[in-house]
Amino acid sequence: GAVVSQHPSRVICKSGTSVKIECRSLDFQATTMFWYRQFPKQSLMLMATSNEGSKATYEQGVEKDKFLINHASLTLSTLTVTSAHPEDSSFYICSASPPRQEVNEKLFFGSGTQLSVL
Amino acid sequence: DAKTTQPPSMDCAEGRAANLPCNHSTISGNEYVYWYRQIHSQGPQYIIHGLKNNETNEMASLIITEDRKSSTLILPHATLRDTAVYYCIVRAGSNSGYALNFGKGTSLLVTP
Repeated sequence: GAVVSQHPSRVICKSGTSVKIECRSLDFQATTMFWYRQFPKQSLMLMATSNEGSKATYEQGVEKDKFLINHASLTLSTLTVTSAHPEDSSFYICSASPPRQEVNEKLFFGSGTQLSVL
Repeated sequence: DAKTTQPPSMDCAEGRAANLPCNHSTISGNEYVYWYRQIHSQGPQYIIHGLKNNETNEMASLIITEDRKSSTLILPHATLRDTAVYYCIVRAGSNSGYALNFGKGTSLLVTP
């Protein structure tokens, strides 16, 4: 299957700092990528949809000024958690799909980034 | 997207078949049934998906009832490495494009 690479796998930062997470599709071009967040013992929650060359679409309740998404190329999307606070500590996961974007296309997921804010 | 209902947890002995049920009684005609699994602290892994016919691949089989209101994922010979949370997801287009909306899933424990 297609490979989605996510980096870093784990990051620890101080409260108030910003953290950038990268998501790359290694062997296909992804016009759309998705960002999820997962708290301990909970399911994945969709945060935003990232479209190459345009602004991201955020789910209700997700602060777009706090979670900055950039999708500048067909193989790279980044999520920046700005002014991180302990409540932002979570497992962040990206996913991507080849460009056809039809309902029967598979989504491929990165391995996730565990963010811990001290 | 239609809502799915799965048992919160199941056990299975190693080497036996694991049958994971999923109810999706409000599924509509253009919605596919997807199964993913998530091993602890990893990203979800695609298993299989289907529309109305039964499907089989190297990982599992997917049995969808004729009325499409429920499905069963079958892992024919479960191993300890199959211990994971299994998500049954019904997917259609939405304002978020074709994102997958995850429910709570079934936590499968494969025992020796």
